[in-house]
Amino acid sequence: GQNIDQPTEMTATEGAIVQINCTYQTSGFNGLFWYQQHAGEAPTFLSYNVLDGLEEKGRFSSFLSRSKGYSYLLLKELQMKDSASYLCAGRGFKTIFGAGTRLFVKA
Amino acid sequence: NAGVTQTPKFQVLKTGQSMTLQCAQDMNHEYMSWYRQDPGMGLRLIHYSVGAGITDQGEVPNGYNVSRSTTEDFPLRLLSAAPSQTSVYFCASSPTGVPANTGELFFGEGSRLTVL
Repeated sequence: GQNIDQPTEMTATEGAIVQINCTYQTSGFNGLFWYQQHAGEAPTFLSYNVLDGLEEKGRFSSFLSRSKGYSYLLLKELQMKDSASYLCAGRGFKTIFGAGTRLFVKA
Repeated sequence: NAGVTQTPKFQVLKTGQSMTLQCAQDMNHEYMSWYRQDPGMGLRLIHYSVGAGITDQGEVPNGYNVSRSTTEDFPLRLLSAAPSQTSVYFCASSPTGVPANTGELFFGEGSRLTVL
């Protein structure tokens, strides 16, 4: 199988840092994507890791450990507009998504 | 640049009816795919294509057909609609990176289908 697991929901405070974890079966994929999806909209690409380590892109960073089948998305200086679902997706011959993590940012 | 265009945006069908969801992209992407999204289920892959004339099944292909006669178009056909197919459908395309691996997905705006 190609199970991808992430928490269902998280809540964080405006201005804080939040980490969204994703675990997957290592035999299925050779990289991880992160997408953001606001309610009623299409997903949009955030980041992509194919090698181990941290990729930083402004307020967003993504980490990958291929041997552990583990990734996380780190959001810094949270803003209200960051309230959305965050989708972890495995990269291979086809792209398979986890169920997504709904993030609620409160004032 | 239009990107990925899906039509229709909304559709209501009766059980047993057939219909086609259209998807077109103008980015010359080789890889195209269809997903459905249901509450709490995330995006589930229905069918995908790595180039014109080549299609393959995803995670939930039953009840759906696809074809890829051109690079630009990838229609999804519902042969006999069922209430279980009520969902939001997304078409997505990607340029191929390393051979046989997908790159960043570009999504259409989605098509909301209700089957009564």
